[in-house]
Amino acid sequence: SYVLTQPPSVSVAPGQTARITCGGNNNGRKSVHWYQQKPGQAPVLVVYDDSDRPSGIPERFSGSKSGNTATLTITRVEAGDEADYYCQVWDSTSVVFGGGTKLTVL
Amino acid sequence: EVQLVESGGGLIQPGGSLRLSCAASGFTVSSNYMSWVRQPPGKGLEWVSVIYIGGSTYYADSVKGRFTISRDNSKSTLYLQMNSLRVEDTAVYYCARGGVGATVAFDIWGQGTMVTVSS
Repeated sequence: SYVLTQPPSVSVAPGQTARITCGGNNNGRKSVHWYQQKPGQAPVLVVYDDSDRPSGIPERFSGSKSGNTATLTITRVEAGDEADYYCQVWDSTSVVFGGGTKLTVL
Repeated sequence: EVQLVESGGGLIQPGGSLRLSCAASGFTVSSNYMSWVRQPPGKGLEWVSVIYIGGSTYYADSVKGRFTISRDNSKSTLYLQMNSLRVEDTAVYYCARGGVGATVAFDIWGQGTMVTVSS
């Protein structure tokens, strides 16, 4: 089965830039979606199709991909961005989530 | 307002059955991919099942043969019938709408319903 690999944790100071990666052996041929989940809440879609942003998501959130590694970038990080972030792809008829990355704002 | 509301969770003994419901408002479930995703306590998201617009259904290997996804278009409600429940099925279960993207991304999520399998 397809595996998405994310770092367990990323830490960043307020106002700095956070980058969360998502690796998969064929991500270059797949569209990657990203979700933010705060404690006790449902996930929220923040980036879809590698780099598109749903309406209502701040421009500080952006996505990119290089080879088989997708990256979620959050600029000018705020305390409210502290959350778990998950990448997701489709592998044929199955949905695959990465293990999640806990973003800590120092 | 576009939203999803799950119900039906609870405490159930191993080997038991439970049916989760997910009521949609502001859109019709039959016009979108709809999925169930679960999250065991303290762990990450795990995909469970999806139903396509055309009605095709697919399942994670961990629930295949035990869980059944379905929808009632007249009620705009998604269901998950869970049989032969195991302790490892304990999780918050979310329903989600696959509403955007060239490859479907889940843009609307319910608040989740907790399923606890324990004796």
